[in-house]
Amino acid sequence: EPEVTQTPSHQVTQMGQEVILRCVPISNHLYFYWYRQILGQKVEFLVSFYNNEISEKSEIFDDQFSVERPDGSNFTLKIRSTKLEDSAMYFCASSDPGRYGYTFGSGTRLTVV
Amino acid sequence: DQQVKQNSPSLSVQEGRISILNCDYTNSMFDYFLWYKKYPAEGPTFLISISSIKDKNEDGRFTVFLNKSAKHLSLHIVPSQPGDSAVYFCAAASGGSNYKLTFGKGTLLTVNP
Repeated sequence: EPEVTQTPSHQVTQMGQEVILRCVPISNHLYFYWYRQILGQKVEFLVSFYNNEISEKSEIFDDQFSVERPDGSNFTLKIRSTKLEDSAMYFCASSDPGRYGYTFGSGTRLTVV
Repeated sequence: DQQVKQNSPSLSVQEGRISILNCDYTNSMFDYFLWYKKYPAEGPTFLISISSIKDKNEDGRFTVFLNKSAKHLSLHIVPSQPGDSAVYFCAAASGGSNYKLTFGKGTLLTVNP
């Protein structure tokens, strides 16, 4: 069964530092997403990406966030200057436009100290 | 702004009995609904979905019912198995696509042997 792979599984960073979360979506999928889940809260949409550009983003996805597909396989989320409130599980997902339902990765737990 | 609400944070059911997980939504633009299951330390896994043109969709032990007039959907699992113990998220999309999913907070289902 094809998987979405996320690395690292856990990242600890100091407030104000930049972090890059990495994802390898399923190879034939065309849509890519980042979601996050703050502990005890719901899974929240951050951004969707298609055809090498952002197709939609939420209010959470401010100028501190950026996404990139630097090559044919990776999809990254960068947070330029992390804040304590950025601590959360970050999930990458991908989908095939012909099918409903995303495939999520296992997530990266980001802890900002 | 809780557009998708799962009012029961937890549910406990005996093995072999029916589990009923409920979800309410407020946005009448939602036209596609999905259920995801999530185990600890894993990403959400797509379970079953339903389009707003239907009122029922069945897949094995899982059935989703949609009541558009009440803006309510439910997931029935029968018979429930201990392996079904997980957090279940209701999600909704609009515009005929799943570019962006709005999730509920989830319901922790525990199936007791």
